[in-house]
Amino acid sequence: DAGVIQSPRHEVTEMGQEVTLRCKPISGHNSLFWYRQTMMRGLELLIYFNNNVPIDDSGMPEDRFSAKMPNASFSTLKIQPSEPRDSAVYFCASSFSTGQYNEQFFGPGTRLTVL
Amino acid sequence: AQSVTQPDIHITVSEGASLELRCNYSYGATPYLFWYVQSPGQGLQLLLKYFSGDTLVQGIKGFEAEFKRSQSSFNLRKPSVHWSDAAEYFCAVGPGNAGNMLTFGGGTRLMVKP
Repeated sequence: DAGVIQSPRHEVTEMGQEVTLRCKPISGHNSLFWYRQTMMRGLELLIYFNNNVPIDDSGMPEDRFSAKMPNASFSTLKIQPSEPRDSAVYFCASSFSTGQYNEQFFGPGTRLTVL
Repeated sequence: AQSVTQPDIHITVSEGASLELRCNYSYGATPYLFWYVQSPGQGLQLLLKYFSGDTLVQGIKGFEAEFKRSQSSFNLRKPSVHWSDAAEYFCAVGPGNAGNMLTFGGGTRLMVKP
């Protein structure tokens, strides 16, 4: 099992550019989570999908952020336009939801630096 | 709203010494409680979890945690720390019903002295 796969692992971009982060969840998992980790704010949940449908996006900071899950094996988090304050590590996690809590498996993260 | 507090931002212990990392939570119902570990440059890995039953739960890597409802605490312990335990540790709380959303504490960074 390859685990949760995220790409790229590192991204450096300039302010104003569009950034797309990608995630491939563990095969068979039906829930997917995007988190952001910064020194100032810690680990924050941005958005949560269940069966490819966004369930809670209340953590998405603003309209510059958008997330999609076109199928069960792929999700993207897009920032357009990017700003320096978006610099953070972005984690994707997946789980198999059965009506009770199930362990979330985290990917290695994408370290984003916006200059 | 649920919240998690980890009072210690940094802790340093000597290798072989015992360890206790504190976690306090606020939640209106019976929570699901978790400890995750994050090694440098890595994602989070689940150490252990508490749903119900025995309040002392065992996890991987020799860690254990005790749920104390009266104190709203879920402290993580290890009797003898190894240098490889140096990492950041996160406590998290989730809803006690169907639902997978977690609220994480701010984390405690553990350093281990030789």
